[in-house]
Amino acid sequence: GAVVSQHPSWVICKSGTSVKIECRSLDFQATTMFWYRQFPKQSLMLMATSNEGSKATYEQGVEKDKFLINHASLTLSTLTVTSAHPEDSSFYICSASRSVWDGGNEQFFGPGTRLTVL
Amino acid sequence: DAKTTQPPSMDCAEGRAANLPCNHSTISGNEYVYWYRQIHSQGPQYIIHGLKNNETNEMASLIITEDRKSSTLILPHATLRDTAVYYCIVRLASGGGADGLTFGKGTHLIIQP
Repeated sequence: GAVVSQHPSWVICKSGTSVKIECRSLDFQATTMFWYRQFPKQSLMLMATSNEGSKATYEQGVEKDKFLINHASLTLSTLTVTSAHPEDSSFYICSASRSVWDGGNEQFFGPGTRLTVL
Repeated sequence: DAKTTQPPSMDCAEGRAANLPCNHSTISGNEYVYWYRQIHSQGPQYIIHGLKNNETNEMASLIITEDRKSSTLILPHATLRDTAVYYCIVRLASGGGADGLTFGKGTHLIIQP
C-alpha cells in the first residue's frame, strides 16, 4: 500500500510554455500533499504544501503565481509551472501524507518528474 | 525541526552491515527520528522511524542512543541496490503529517562489490 504516482515522468518543453505535473495517491486518501524541487547534486527543497479543497501554502522564495497548485480531490494534486524558463529545469517530486486517523502520518513520495526547459 | 549532521559519504562492502550515523543533539522530547533514502533519479523512500526505542523492520534497524542525541541506521546485509543517499530527518509526528520535510545533504552510501 501507500503508492504515489506522478505523471509525466519526464517532460521537455520550450521556454514560455506551461507544464502540468500530476501527483496521485493510488491506494489511500491524502488530505495533504507536498511538492519538492531538486536541482542536480542538491537535496530536496520543499516548495509548497497542498491541502485538499484549500489554497496551497508556499515556502519563502517560491512564486505562487508561477507554480500553480491545485488539490481538487483527496487523491490528486497538480503542479503547473507557468511560463517555464530554463532555470525552472529541475526534478519535481511530490509526496502524500496519510491522515493520522488512518494509521499514521508518514509521507510517501512519488517517483519524480524531470522537467527540462529549452 | 532539529538539525541533523551526517557524514557526506560512506563505503560498505556488499554483504556486510552498513552503519549510518546521524547526530541530532538538539532534538526535543516530542520529535521523532526518520530515515529516508533516495536512489539516483528516484523519489525518496521511507525506511524507518523511531522516538526513543530501537526499531526494526524488513529494511533496516534504527538504534537511538539513550540521550537521543544520535542514532544509527543499520542495513544488516547491504546489497548493490542499497547504494543511495540516506537522509536522517528529525520532525514532529503530529497533525496528520501536515508539515513538509526538511532534507539535509544526507550520506551518500556506496556499496562496493
